[in-house]
Amino acid sequence: SYELTQPPSVSVSPGQTARITCSGDTLSKKYAYWYQQKSGQAPVLVIYEDSKRPSGIPERFSGSRSGTMATLTISGAQVEDEADFYCYSRDSSGNHLFGGGTKLTVL
Amino acid sequence: QVQLVQSGAEVKKPGASVKVSCKASGYTFTSAYMNWVRQAPGQGFEWMGVLNPSSGTTVYAQKFQGRVTMSRDTSTSTVYMELSSLRSEDTAVYYCARHYSRTTWGVEVDYFDYWGQGTLVNVSA
Repeated sequence: SYELTQPPSVSVSPGQTARITCSGDTLSKKYAYWYQQKSGQAPVLVIYEDSKRPSGIPERFSGSRSGTMATLTISGAQVEDEADFYCYSRDSSGNHLFGGGTKLTVL
Repeated sequence: QVQLVQSGAEVKKPGASVKVSCKASGYTFTSAYMNWVRQAPGQGFEWMGVLNPSSGTTVYAQKFQGRVTMSRDTSTSTVYMELSSLRSEDTAVYYCARHYSRTTWGVEVDYFDYWGQGTLVNVSA
C-alpha cells in the first residue's frame, strides 16, 4: 500500500477539466509534487511546491493543496495529456513517498 | 540543458549483479545529489538510495542495504548503481534522478527535478 493515495483512473473528454487527487497525512505539512509519465517514458515534473509549473509545462496544468489533500488540475485536457500521473512528497522522517499513480484517459 | 543519459538494457540471471550508469551533463556534476529510483512492470516508484557526487557519501533504503552500491566518477560526470544477488523481483526499470533541495524560511523543498531515460533490468533464468 502507499502512504499517498490516488484514484487508479480518471477519464475525461477532450476539452474537459481533469482533477486528480492525492491524499496523505504528510501533505498537511509537506509540499506536493506531480510527475507525468507517458507510456514507455521517464517521469516529467509538471508541478512543484504544490502549485508551481516548471518551464515548458502548459498553463492548463495547475496544482493546489489543502489539509491532507493535493489536487492536480488539467483545464481543457488534450489527448496528448494521456499518461500516468504520480504525486510525490516526503514525510517527517525524510522518507520518499510516491502515490500509486493515476491513469488519465482523454477520449 | 540538464541531461541524464543511462546505459542500455540488461538481462541477468538470478544471483548475478548488474551495474547501471548515468552520465550527467548541462550542470555542475558535484552540485546536486543523485538518486536511484526503480519501477517494476506496471507498478509505482521505489526509492533505492542517494549519492552525494561531491563527497561520494551514500544513503541507501533499508530494503536494499547490503545489496546496492552507488558510486561516481567525477572525471566523466557519471554515477553508477550496482545491485547484487539479483532475483526475479528485481526486474524493473531503474532511473537516476537528480535531487533539487533548498530550505527557505525554515520550509524544506526537495524533489527530483530531472530523470534519466531509464534502464530496463530483466532478471530471468
